[in-house]
Amino acid sequence: GQNIDQPTEMTATEGAIVQINCTYQTSGFNGLFWYQQHAGEAPTFLSYNVLDGLEEKGRFSSFLSRSKGYSYLLLKELQMKDSASYLCAAMDSNYQLIWGAGTKLIIKP
Amino acid sequence: ETGVTQTPRHLVMGMTNKKSLKCEQHLGHNAMYWYKQSAKKPLELMFVYSLEERVENNSVPSRFSPECPNSSHLFLHLHTLQPEDSALYLCASSSRDTETGELFFGEGSRLTVL
Repeated sequence: GQNIDQPTEMTATEGAIVQINCTYQTSGFNGLFWYQQHAGEAPTFLSYNVLDGLEEKGRFSSFLSRSKGYSYLLLKELQMKDSASYLCAAMDSNYQLIWGAGTKLIIKP
Repeated sequence: ETGVTQTPRHLVMGMTNKKSLKCEQHLGHNAMYWYKQSAKKPLELMFVYSLEERVENNSVPSRFSPECPNSSHLFLHLHTLQPEDSALYLCASSSRDTETGELFFGEGSRLTVL
């Protein structure tokens, strides 16, 4: 079956760096998405990876290894506003998104 | 004006009621989606309208009925729901013409079934 695994919850300190991992198993692969969702708000698009390697976008970076079925989202210089849930989703061969249950990130001062 | 707007934001209904959720997108997208979000569970795709064709998740009960009168508007009609249907219902839109086709979500309609 198709599956996405990511940690349920993580805690980090303001100003630090945190890495949120995601492993996936899908029938075919057409890319890996990360979304951010603040409590009570809409999920918003953060990144898309389809080729192996690291994509950097400001304080956020996303990495993909297709051979390992693995991705991570790296958040640097953490700010209190980064407290949110981070959703990992892989697109299968039918262009359907398979979602993880999300990682709740708690930032402490 | 936000890109994807959902109303109402909160809804409480009894099991015998009939209600509808509304979604409107102002992004010129050609696909619209209904998702169910329950606590600590993955987003569950309920329905997709793409280029006026409907694709549905066969596991969605018939008490949920979608309607898409045009490419900018999407409804989810609700009738004789069960308490386990209480969840956040998210509408999303996307353009099938972009490289990534990322989804743009509304803020959701929080549904409570008593």
